[in-house]
Amino acid sequence: DQQVKQNSPSLSVQEGRISILNCDYTNSMFDYFLWYKKYPAEGPTFLISISSIKDKNEDGRFTVFLNKSAKHLSLHIVPSQPGDSAVYFCAASAKWSNFGNEKLTFGTGTRLTIIP
Amino acid sequence: ETGVTQTPRHLVMGMTNKKSLKCEQHLGHNAMYWYKQSAKKPLELMFVYSLEERVENNSVPSRFSPECPNSSHLFLHLHTLQPEDSALYLCASSQDWGSEAFFGQGTRLTVV
Repeated sequence: DQQVKQNSPSLSVQEGRISILNCDYTNSMFDYFLWYKKYPAEGPTFLISISSIKDKNEDGRFTVFLNKSAKHLSLHIVPSQPGDSAVYFCAASAKWSNFGNEKLTFGTGTRLTIIP
Repeated sequence: ETGVTQTPRHLVMGMTNKKSLKCEQHLGHNAMYWYKQSAKKPLELMFVYSLEERVENNSVPSRFSPECPNSSHLFLHLHTLQPEDSALYLCASSQDWGSEAFFGQGTRLTVV
């Protein structure tokens, strides 16, 4: 059973507009969430994170929103640029828990294409 | 430069071959990971080493064997693989378990 879900495999957005990537999770013990960006033939690159004590974290053009009651987070990119075209992975972990063997659990990714 | 280096970048091997993937990190991290990325599937965690101790994912077949000789190096030894093992194998490291992971560029493995 997939604990982290990215239901949109792909998304196309016009350059300059806002890109919104969504992620849902099922494990209520997750308390730390991350977004990774991946270009072809490269490993994923860490982009931005948020802990469950916050509902928003902003870093330049990237903002992550967390809705704990809905078990939903989203990544907003504004304005979108051609270089943002990549696959975006959502990941979650129970970083602050004492489960011992906790690890990052990844979604399947969303391919974002920015149209010039 | 990601700080995590994987070699080789590409590998083609027969089902009877034995090969090894290598990962190196100079970030001073305590945890290192092997992930497998197959098409249309989430990144699958294969192995975790934390402070050079291994936590094994029980669903990983024994034809994959990790080795962590020190905190900076991680190997994945491969033997008698199957065609369905063809995938992108990613190494990552993080300061601690579950914190931001830094990934290498991956090894594209093809089993013929």
